Amino acid sequence: GEDVEQSLFLSVREGDSSVINCTYTDSSSTYLYWYKQEPGAGLQLLTYIFSNMDMKQDQRLTVLLNKKDKHLSLRIADTQTGDSAIYFCAESPTGGGADGLTFGKGTHLIIQP
Amino acid sequence: GAVVSQHPSWVICKSGTSVKIECRSLDFQATTMFWYRQFPKQSLMLMATSNEGSKATYEQGVEKDKFLINHASLTLSTLTVTSAHPEDSSFYICSAPGYSWGGGYNEQFFGPGTRLTVL
Repeated sequence: GEDVEQSLFLSVREGDSSVINCTYTDSSSTYLYWYKQEPGAGLQLLTYIFSNMDMKQDQRLTVLLNKKDKHLSLRIADTQTGDSAIYFCAESPTGGGADGLTFGKGTHLIIQP
Repeated sequence: GAVVSQHPSWVICKSGTSVKIECRSLDFQATTMFWYRQFPKQSLMLMATSNEGSKATYEQGVEKDKFLINHASLTLSTLTVTSAHPEDSSFYICSAPGYSWGGGYNEQFFGPGTRLTVL
């Protein structure tokens, strides 16, 4: 079945860049997402990328997709304390409506002062 | 953006009792909603797809008689955990697809989750 893998923790210093990695197995994945989960809040969609794209940049966020290796990464530039959260990689063969998403276990981003 | 609420935020119940969790889309309609459960340090696992006006679709391994889903209206889906046991303790999250006017695309909007603890 489908599987999405992420490392559980990432620790970075404030001001540095954070790179969170994700691998997936479903070759039919068409939509790939990054969500942020803060304590007591719902999942927040940060950004997404279609499988026919290699890169997407949105302000401090850069998403890179290596479709051949089924590898997705999220880079957060100039990491701030407010970026401290759990980041989930998710995939779906269809757009954000027809099917539920398959999630990774989430990467807990820890910011050191 | 669109808002999805859940009620209650947390609930503690005794083993053998049933618990109902509500998921509402506050400013948009959703013919489909999704229910997930999340264990500590685990990913969200899709449990079922809730369909307004028809039966829910359950993922493999999810007991439909254990987790009753009712999509009563275009803005409300409920998940009832029947005869709850300690192993049902988990974080239950719902989502509803909606249109992101800022982004110009469809996306899933997630509720804040419900923490269920069964004693």
